[in-house]
Amino acid sequence: SQQGEEDPQALSIQEGENATMNCSYKTSINNLQWYRQNSGRGLVHLILIRSNEREKHSGRLRVTLDTSKKSSSLLITASRAADTASYFCAGQDDSWGKLQFGAGTQVVVTP
Amino acid sequence: GAVVSQHPSRVICKSGTSVKIECRSLDFQATTMFWYRQFPKKSLMLMATSNEGSKATYEQGVEKDKFLINHASLTLSTLTVTSAHPEDSSFYICSVSGRRGEKLFFGSGTQLSVL
Repeated sequence: SQQGEEDPQALSIQEGENATMNCSYKTSINNLQWYRQNSGRGLVHLILIRSNEREKHSGRLRVTLDTSKKSSSLLITASRAADTASYFCAGQDDSWGKLQFGAGTQVVVTP
Repeated sequence: GAVVSQHPSRVICKSGTSVKIECRSLDFQATTMFWYRQFPKKSLMLMATSNEGSKATYEQGVEKDKFLINHASLTLSTLTVTSAHPEDSSFYICSVSGRRGEKLFFGSGTQLSVL
């Protein structure tokens, strides 16, 4: 079953703007991860935040995690056309490598 | 990170035939691989966990006789869709778990179309 719900389902912004998407999950997790998928392709790992962390940065990405609310957010700053993709959150419990994916947010960045 | 190769990238077949999809871990010995299925504009649904040298573990609702998984070596897992039907048309993606069992590395996916 899917772990999380993502909000919004779709997001359209212009280059240079920030893109924020949220993810909620249902069960307890060891870590939460964000992945990116270009149309018709596999997924690429972006960032991992552990359950004892509240915020993490990687380049133009900022991820937050609120375990009390079972939610996470992904912020992409200064977006580029190349950021156009679908973004998925995925929660991992204790199971080795097993991830439950959220529904995804489709982001379109127009030049 | 691991480099994962998935083949073929696209396959069209007639109803009733079987289709084999290969997933190779090119630079990493993967004792565990995962097979996901994705419908258009939808999320990934975990189908099964492929374990090297033993039987795959299937998720609830996934027919093991329909989706045969073989993980005969540390670098290769195969998914065979047996007696494919149009409702099996989907995007199938394999993944390999990294050394710490955390992040996944994905193949590029296989688009299966059953006529």
